[in-house]
Amino acid sequence: DTEVTQTPKHLVMGMTNKKSLKCEQHMGHRAMYWYKQKAKKPPELMFVYSYEKLSINESVPSRFSPECPNSSLLNLHLHALQPEDSALYLCASSPLMTGNNEQFFGPGTRLTVL
Amino acid sequence: GQQVMQIPQYQHVQEGEDFTTYCNSSTTLSNIQWYKQRPGGHPVFLIQLVKSGEVKKQKRLTFQFGEAKKNSSLHITATQTTDVGTYFCAGPTSGTYKYIFGTGTRLKVLA
Repeated sequence: DTEVTQTPKHLVMGMTNKKSLKCEQHMGHRAMYWYKQKAKKPPELMFVYSYEKLSINESVPSRFSPECPNSSLLNLHLHALQPEDSALYLCASSPLMTGNNEQFFGPGTRLTVL
Repeated sequence: GQQVMQIPQYQHVQEGEDFTTYCNSSTTLSNIQWYKQRPGGHPVFLIQLVKSGEVKKQKRLTFQFGEAKKNSSLHITATQTTDVGTYFCAGPTSGTYKYIFGTGTRLKVLA
């Protein structure tokens, strides 16, 4: 299984809502990533987990809260988002965080904040 | 901070024509990766280059890493409609394992 899955595919939420994005991989990868991608822009790194521990937080606002319950799962909890947070949220995984590792991306969750 | 720029931003070609995108980093890179993102899709890994001056080929795609390890290029020979998408280079920021994606080149192939 060389796939990263993400749910839901689409999400519309109000600014007062709380929602969660889910990402799963069964490739045995020990590094997992959250990226944010606005239209016609490159992916921007948000968080990196290595061996289920948060290793990198790219100064992301606290309304985004990542969680790695186990080595296969990665969640992104959303609360009190702003309309400018509307974007494609991509999850990725790689064998390790260190070294030269290709990243496997999931299909993304397209988030709209009203 | 470190920047990774790509040119051109957009390229429209007739099917069968060649295409090249250039990637330039403000700092030396330990390696560089290339990804392709189809319209409405997600980035898909194409290749990784590590050595100075390295050239790698994948069928009609040729990838090159500059001698100074600050630039790279992707050349597609005889484009096909299946080549449509945005091509991103990505390199690690200095002293870290965080990859910064280049600005991307969007390729459109006209049949």
